[in-house]
Amino acid sequence: EPEVTQTPSHQVTQMGQEVILRCVPISNHLYFYWYRQILGQKVEFLVSFYNNEISEKSEIFDDQFSVERPDGSNFTLKIRSTKLEDSAMYFCASTSGDQETQYFGPGTRLLVL
Amino acid sequence: QKEVEQNSGPLSVPEGAIASLNCTYSDRGSQSFFWYRQYSGKSPELIMFIYSNGDKEDGRFTAQLNKASQYVSLLIRDSQPSDSATYLCAVNSNAGKSTFGDGTTLTVKP
Repeated sequence: EPEVTQTPSHQVTQMGQEVILRCVPISNHLYFYWYRQILGQKVEFLVSFYNNEISEKSEIFDDQFSVERPDGSNFTLKIRSTKLEDSAMYFCASTSGDQETQYFGPGTRLLVL
Repeated sequence: QKEVEQNSGPLSVPEGAIASLNCTYSDRGSQSFFWYRQYSGKSPELIMFIYSNGDKEDGRFTAQLNKASQYVSLLIRDSQPSDSATYLCAVNSNAGKSTFGDGTTLTVKP
């Protein structure tokens, strides 16, 4: 069964460093999402991406964040200058339609020191 | 008011009992509704989705949706210890963004 994959599974970085989180969505899906979950808190929407552009973003998704689909398979989330409060689990999700089920990847646990 | 609100937990039920999980949402324009199960440190795993008013059954799980009351619930029949997890209610906006509730932690005691 096709699944969303994410790399790396864990990332430790120093405050102020740039990180890139990678996702490979399910191949025939058209809509892509990033969510984050701070430890002990709820899953929060960051950004949605469709037709090679951002369709919606949350207040969390400020100028430090960017997303890209550099080729036909990868979907990346870049954090330019990480802060301590960026420490969280980051989930990528994809779906074939905007009201359809979103399939989540296993997540990347980011720790900013 | 939270956009998606779930009944506060934790919820504890004995094995074999029915577990009832509730969720209310504020956006009347919401179109699709999802229940996920999440184990600690893992990603959300879809249990059920529902789009129309009424009940939807899948094995031991029944989702109920009442758009007039802005209410969606999940019933788990014959609860098993393996059902112990945090259950997340998610509501999709027109743009497909999922808004999640805080989750309800369920413990099923053998």
